[in-house]
Amino acid sequence: QKEVEQDPGPLSVPEGAIVSLNCTYSNSAFQYFMWYRQYSRKGPELLMYTYSSGNKEDGRFTAQVDKSSKYISLFIRDSQPSDSATYLCAMSARSGAGSYQLTFGKGTKLSVIP
Amino acid sequence: NAGVTQTPKFQVLKTGQSMTLQCAQDMNHNSMYWYRQDPGMGLRLIYYSASEGTTDKGEVPNGYNVSRLNKREFSLRLESAAPSQTSVYFCASSGSGRAGEQYFGPGTRLTVT
Repeated sequence: QKEVEQDPGPLSVPEGAIVSLNCTYSNSAFQYFMWYRQYSRKGPELLMYTYSSGNKEDGRFTAQVDKSSKYISLFIRDSQPSDSATYLCAMSARSGAGSYQLTFGKGTKLSVIP
Repeated sequence: NAGVTQTPKFQVLKTGQSMTLQCAQDMNHNSMYWYRQDPGMGLRLIYYSASEGTTDKGEVPNGYNVSRLNKREFSLRLESAAPSQTSVYFCASSGSGRAGEQYFGPGTRLTVT
């Protein structure tokens, strides 16, 4: 079993829809959870960062972490064509070495249709 | 403030040729990373450098070498390129901010024929 599982999609939704993206993980040591957005032919950019279980909201985006179920989600409200991108979940365990290795999901490709 | 920069943007190599991918960051970050991204495989860590003067293997280090030239620069070398190394390569860096938060460069698209 891969440490991080993410449905690659593709996912196609109409403009204005609520989008739900999900990842599951198996390593209970993961404590830091991130969502990266990657536009076509660009580098990933950090979208959301969460440390503990619960919800974190930033504008139209909500990140949710359920450590008991080892499940994280990203919700996009009122989706826009500009949200069309690949969304990568990433997570890391606590490290005493000063750098934190990220484990990525494979990414979900989202298309928002006008 | 350019963030993380990578050169070149594109490269085509023949099997057996060598090349070095360059990465630089201007955020005064201690840690730097090299990833490759392949369709259906996601981002996989090749090598990383926790701080200037140190380097460590990641998930897929075979066929690569790295050099942390100074705090700003981290290069990735392919000594004898193989078609299996055709990929998009990303450099990233992280600092003393939020644990695990990494900033990525724009990538280098490498094709080995």
